[in-house]
Amino acid sequence: EIVLTQSPVTLSLSPGERATLSCRASQNIGNDFLAWYHQKPGQAPRLLIFGTSSRATGIPDRFNGSGSGTDFTLTISGLEAEDFAVYYCQRHGNSPPYTFGQGTKLEIK
Amino acid sequence: VQLVESGGAVVQPGRSLRLSCATSGFTFNFFGLHWVRQAPGKGLEWVAVISPDGDKKDYSDAVRGRFTISKDKSKDTLYLQMKSLRPEDTAVYFCAKDGGGGIGDFWGQGTLVTVSS
Repeated sequence: EIVLTQSPVTLSLSPGERATLSCRASQNIGNDFLAWYHQKPGQAPRLLIFGTSSRATGIPDRFNGSGSGTDFTLTISGLEAEDFAVYYCQRHGNSPPYTFGQGTKLEIK
Repeated sequence: VQLVESGGAVVQPGRSLRLSCATSGFTFNFFGLHWVRQAPGKGLEWVAVISPDGDKKDYSDAVRGRFTISKDKSKDTLYLQMKSLRPEDTAVYFCAKDGGGGIGDFWGQGTLVTVSS
């Protein structure tokens, strides 16, 4: 089973700054993809990115996903107050398990 | 699109519990559905998925053989039957609509299951 490791565990930034979140797979995910979600306290996760780089409906273009193989990145340009949350990556594709990373907490500096 | 979970409770180890997820706003028979859980203060853990027609089901290693995912097309409702519950099954359980290839594009708000003596 592929394990996803996210880094850093916590990222402290100010509004307006750029955030770079990493998700590394324990082996090449091949023809599968990465999805990204964020989750605020007491809320359900919200899909941001699927297919490694496609934005979900209603997600602003300051969110960008990239990567291939084992290394994937979520970049958020020009952080806004609503972006501070916990971010999870997930492997998705043809077959389960649809593993999640352990999360990165993006907090206000 | 709406998904509303119910059935969460406090149960003793070894007992059983069934969760429900009532759905609306999409064609139930066209989409797969997932259960994902989150232990208190922890990250997300994928649990199970069922295919649109209900014929194909897959589970995480942690629950395979103890949990059963099912769906009732007449009620547009997803279920998770949980048996032989363990303290480590304590979590908020979310249902999610499959947006294709395993992604959850719409989620419910979750229901809390606590396994404790």
